[in-house]
Amino acid sequence: AQSVTQLGSHVSVSEGALVLLRCNYSSSVPPYLFWYVQYPNQGLQLLLKYTSAATLVKGINGFEAEFKKSETSFHLTKPSAHMSDAAEYFCAVSAPYNFNKFYFGSGTKLNVKP
Amino acid sequence: DGGITQSPKYLFRKEGQNVTLSCEQNLNHDAMYWYRQDPGQGLRLIYYSQIVNDFQKGDIAEGYSVSREKKESFPLTVTSAQKNPTAFYLCASSPGGTVRGEAFFGQGTRLTVV
Repeated sequence: AQSVTQLGSHVSVSEGALVLLRCNYSSSVPPYLFWYVQYPNQGLQLLLKYTSAATLVKGINGFEAEFKKSETSFHLTKPSAHMSDAAEYFCAVSAPYNFNKFYFGSGTKLNVKP
Repeated sequence: DGGITQSPKYLFRKEGQNVTLSCEQNLNHDAMYWYRQDPGQGLRLIYYSQIVNDFQKGDIAEGYSVSREKKESFPLTVTSAQKNPTAFYLCASSPGGTVRGEAFFGQGTRLTVV
């Protein structure tokens, strides 16, 4: 079975500091992994996705994530946080044998302090 | 512009009433989904449909019903049997079939029981 665990429901960083949001997955086969961002009262927007090509994936707004099979992790990073990065972030995995099923983590709210 | 349109953005329901949330997509996607979002609980799958005229229950289908008569439309009815319907509802779609891609989300409908 597939599942996604996001460590830390709330993360707070100072503006200009490194952003690190953690995601661990369980999957019996190489997964497709995704990071989404959600601003208040809006839908989810895709930040980036891993599709078994390069292990370091670059996304929008300066975010990137690295797929580490040995650690079953797909952590999201950004070198320098901006105030506009304050939002909720979701990690997700798609089922390997049913591409139409997605499993979402419980989300991490990022707070950026001035 | 291709995308997913949810309407209305805000909806108020009296106790005992059924209400229907609209979801339309012009992405030519086969698969569509309804998620419920409550604070601190991430996304929970209500129903999903992999193809026209077919749909499956998700994790929290009780008190909800759907139809999929057209490829582009996947309306969700919140019935009076749903004990706690106040929540943020998100509709999504993905390519479906053998195409492995990400889910695209609408902007959500916030339902409040008054």
